[in-house]
Amino acid sequence: EPEVTQTPSHQVTQMGQEVILRCVPISNHLYFYWYRQILGQKVEFLVSFYNNEISEKSEIFDDQFSVERPDGSNFTLKIRSTKLEDSAMYFCASRPEAGVPDTQYFGPGTRLTVL
Amino acid sequence: AQKVTQAQTEISVVEKEDVTLDCVYETRDTTYYLFWYKQPPSGELVFLIRRNSFDEQNEISGRYSWNFQKSTSSFNFTITASQVVDSAVYFCALSEVSNTGNQFYFGTGTSLTVIP
Repeated sequence: EPEVTQTPSHQVTQMGQEVILRCVPISNHLYFYWYRQILGQKVEFLVSFYNNEISEKSEIFDDQFSVERPDGSNFTLKIRSTKLEDSAMYFCASRPEAGVPDTQYFGPGTRLTVL
Repeated sequence: AQKVTQAQTEISVVEKEDVTLDCVYETRDTTYYLFWYKQPPSGELVFLIRRNSFDEQNEISGRYSWNFQKSTSSFNFTITASQVVDSAVYFCALSEVSNTGNQFYFGTGTSLTVIP
């Protein structure tokens, strides 16, 4: 069964460093997402991406964040200058089609630790 | 205001007991979808069910059942004869058609512990 994959599973970085989190969505899916979950808290929406552009973003997704689909398979989240409060689990998700809030399939997550 | 409220932060039950996890949502859309996801200790989010706003029929899948009531804006989840493997955090989520990105609004989750 197709699944969303994410790499790395755990990333440790120093404050101020840039990190890139990588995701490979399910191949025929059209909508892509990043969510964040600070330890012990709820899952929060960061950004949605469709047709090679951001369709919506939350207040959390400030200028330090960017997303990209550099090729036909990868979907990346970049944090330019990490802060301690960026430490969280980051989930990538994808869904098959536009226009219908269908089921989103989540990857296993990348745990980001900022020291 | 919270779009999805899961008032139960933590629940503990003894194995084989039934348990109901509550979810209350808020939306102005007439078309929306509701979801339940399970997050086991390993951390991934496992899809359990999707319900659209036009389908109030309750659903049963094995030991799992869901009760959707638009009149009370609730979408509750019941586990019958709970097992230790059911121990996890369960999240309810809402997605609205009016929202361009159709992103999910998650509740704060209910941590379920099933004691053997």
